[in-house]
Amino acid sequence: NAGVMQNPRHLVRRRGQEARLRCSPMKGHSHVYWYRQLPEEGLKFMVYLQKENIIDESGMPKERFSAEFPKEGPSILRIQQVVRGDSAAYFCASSPGTDAYEQYFGPGTRLTVT
Amino acid sequence: GQQVMQIPQYQHVQEGEDFTTYCNSSTTLSNIQWYKQRPGGHPVFLIQLVKSGEVKKQKRLTFQFGEAKKNSSLHITATQTTDVGTYFCAAYTGTASKLTFGTGTRLQVTL
Repeated sequence: NAGVMQNPRHLVRRRGQEARLRCSPMKGHSHVYWYRQLPEEGLKFMVYLQKENIIDESGMPKERFSAEFPKEGPSILRIQQVVRGDSAAYFCASSPGTDAYEQYFGPGTRLTVT
Repeated sequence: GQQVMQIPQYQHVQEGEDFTTYCNSSTTLSNIQWYKQRPGGHPVFLIQLVKSGEVKKQKRLTFQFGEAKKNSSLHITATQTTDVGTYFCAAYTGTASKLTFGTGTRLQVTL
């Protein structure tokens, strides 16, 4: 049973380009969460999605960032016109439900903006 | 909004010494989870506590949930180099069941 998969593992983008990060949740999980982690810092919640719905995007910047979790295919976190401050590790997690459920994390995508 | 604070931010111990990290919330929590993140790795779930005053053990790790369900602790007995990493507490908050992570405690263990 494959765990949470994220790709790419490393992504380098120049300022102004777009970054697309993909996340495939564990089989049977319909809840997906995205987090951002700056070096030597904690995990900051960005967005929580269920299939075809954004449930909570309170942690996501209103501009340049968007997320989706289509009926078919992986969840995608999209960052338009990247800036150096977007350089971070982006983790995706999935769970079979909410509240009392543990979250299973993917290996993360390390985004570097040059 | 909901804040979950952890202390200390960083601790350096010699192998064999004990280690404790504390997690404090400004509001009452329905449950609390603990995760470990190795350097360069991703968070891995360790345990969940639900009941007031609950204590759970995993080998050398002891987890406690406070009576008022506002604080929690993780204690490691006789640390080993394999314990190196950052330990996060986390709690579900908000109407949309968002998992809020504590600030984390980074543990360094040397021989």
